Amino acid sequence: NAGVTQTPKFQVLKTGQSMTLQCAQDMNHNSMYWYRQDPGMGLRLIYYSASEGTTDKGEVPNGYNVSRLNKREFSLRLESAAPSQTSVYFCASSADRGRGYTFGSGTRLTVV
Amino acid sequence: RKEVEQDPGPFNVPEGATVAFNCTYSNSASQSFFWYRQDCRKEPKLLMSVYSSGNEDGRFTAQLNRASQYISLLIRDSKLSDSATYLCVVNGGYSTLTFGKGTMLLVSP
Repeated sequence: NAGVTQTPKFQVLKTGQSMTLQCAQDMNHNSMYWYRQDPGMGLRLIYYSASEGTTDKGEVPNGYNVSRLNKREFSLRLESAAPSQTSVYFCASSADRGRGYTFGSGTRLTVV
Repeated sequence: RKEVEQDPGPFNVPEGATVAFNCTYSNSASQSFFWYRQDCRKEPKLLMSVYSSGNEDGRFTAQLNRASQYISLLIRDSKLSDSATYLCVVNGGYSTLTFGKGTMLLVSP
């Protein structure tokens, strides 16, 4: 019962470094999402992919890029990390847009 | 007006109490509504969907008032294990789900 798997679980980056957060789901879901969660700010949508081959910006896309590699995998890339990107990142998937989401366990990212 | 608004709490209640959370949303075209639960340092998990006629799942009851754009969650006979943050969720402007900031519940012995 893997559901949504995110790697890594923890990461510390220096300002300016790049990294890719990986996400994979095994539920045959069409839609996948990346959120960030900060204290007092709630969950904010970064990017989403309604179906394989499509990606769209969410509320806070600046500084990020995404790739929907195939139906299972949706990665988030930080090209040049900034301290403002210190956050907890959650990947989620759903059968269709508007349906309930299943979340991964999150990546705790610190940029120093 | 924020898309989804919730009282952040915390709500402090004793075991066995009944507690209710409310949530308002701004997008009158919203069609899907949910309550999620998030434990400290964990991912959000779907608690229940909310239907127009209201729905119940054990000790949990959810209500939707479309005219007032208002959603509620009632928890009866609170357990220690109910301590968590409860997120009100609505499908929003991107045709994706918009999450409220959550209401924290603390159940004490």
